[in-house]
Amino acid sequence: QKEVEQNSGPLSVPEGAIASLNCTYSDRGSQSFFWYRQYSGKSPELIMSIYSNGDKEDGRFTAQLNKASQYVSLLIRDSQPSDSATYLCAVPGRNSGYALNFGKGTSLLVTP
Amino acid sequence: DADVTQTPRNRITKTGKRIMLECSQTKGHDRMYWYRQDPGLGLRLIYYSFDVKDINKGEISDGYSVSRQAQAKFSLSLESAIPNQTALYFCATRGGENEKLFFGSGTQLSVL
Repeated sequence: QKEVEQNSGPLSVPEGAIASLNCTYSDRGSQSFFWYRQYSGKSPELIMSIYSNGDKEDGRFTAQLNKASQYVSLLIRDSQPSDSATYLCAVPGRNSGYALNFGKGTSLLVTP
Repeated sequence: DADVTQTPRNRITKTGKRIMLECSQTKGHDRMYWYRQDPGLGLRLIYYSFDVKDINKGEISDGYSVSRQAQAKFSLSLESAIPNQTALYFCATRGGENEKLFFGSGTQLSVL
């Protein structure tokens, strides 16, 4: 089982809708979780980090963490075409000096 | 100027050639990483370094070597390049608030 799993998509949502991106992880002891956005051919950029169970909101983005279910999600409200990108979930790996292990990413397409 | 600089941005080479990808940072972080990204496979860790004398293999280190010449410089070498090493390579540093990962702009390597 890969340490961080995401659906590859593509996930298509209409402009203005809520996009919901999901991620599961295998290490029950993980303490920190990150969401990165990556446009095609560009480097990933951090959009959210979350450390505690529950929700964390930052503008149109909400990260949700459920450690019991080993599940972290990212909600994007009022989706815009500029949100079209690949979203990467990342979790520090205990077997790699806590270097970030990335999921394969979910491709999001927001249609006008 | 970029905080994490990778050179070259693009490189085309032939099978069997030795290639070096360079990375330098101005963020003052001790931790540096090399990742490889292939379509549909996400980011995979090649090597990571906690300081000049502490270098560790990641998930996919076979066929690669690294050198940490100084706190600010971390180079990745392919001793004898092969076509399946064609990929987008990212250098990253980690530190600061919330231990964020900062990426360089990437090097697109093609091995013919």
